[in-house]
Amino acid sequence: DVKVTQSSRYLVKRTGEKVFLECVQDMDHENMFWYRQDPGLGLRLIYFSYDVKMKEKGDIPEGYSVSREKKERFSLILESASTNQTSMYLCASTAREETQYFGPGTRLLVL
Amino acid sequence: AQSVTQPDIHITVSEGASLELRCNYSYGATPYLFWYVQSPGQGLQLLLKYFSGDTLVQGIKGFEAEFKRSQSSFNLRKPSVHWSDAAEYFCAVGARGYFGNEKLTFGTGTRLTIIP
Repeated sequence: DVKVTQSSRYLVKRTGEKVFLECVQDMDHENMFWYRQDPGLGLRLIYFSYDVKMKEKGDIPEGYSVSREKKERFSLILESASTNQTSMYLCASTAREETQYFGPGTRLLVL
Repeated sequence: AQSVTQPDIHITVSEGASLELRCNYSYGATPYLFWYVQSPGQGLQLLLKYFSGDTLVQGIKGFEAEFKRSQSSFNLRKPSVHWSDAAEYFCAVGARGYFGNEKLTFGTGTRLTIIP
């Protein structure tokens, strides 16, 4: 079974803090994704990566950056957290032309 | 750009009754289509997917969906729901291109409540 893990299930941070969300997959997938999920808005793509050190902006990249130094790990970085970044963050991975597999999500609260 | 519409925000169904969740998409070519389910506090689990071929797709947990090109729809059905089906359901469309189906656009979701 594909396994996608996220470093934290719940996270509470203060405005202005730098926040790191980590995602690890164990299936040697080329592609990895970060989404945020908000009520009534569904899932929106923040960034994705199709190879190590490669990244592409999704639909809502503002206020976020990403890092992919190793194939199995994809990090989402909030350089200076703001209250409007309070959300559920979901990571996903996929091999080319295959289905996306999702992690359990990180619920982030920014105070 | 592709888009997905799930017109029903919330549906309530009696246990044992049939279910149909609606999904309409907008995409210029033949899309990849998916249904995912999310239980409270969990990530998304794939129910089924359509890439090509037979337009009636069978998935896990007794779900099926039918791709209707003329109606730009991919509705999810189940003949008899169980209390454990209470969850949120997301339809998604994948853009074909250099990266294949990797870029998904999701609908806003339909929350399903089951009453005894």
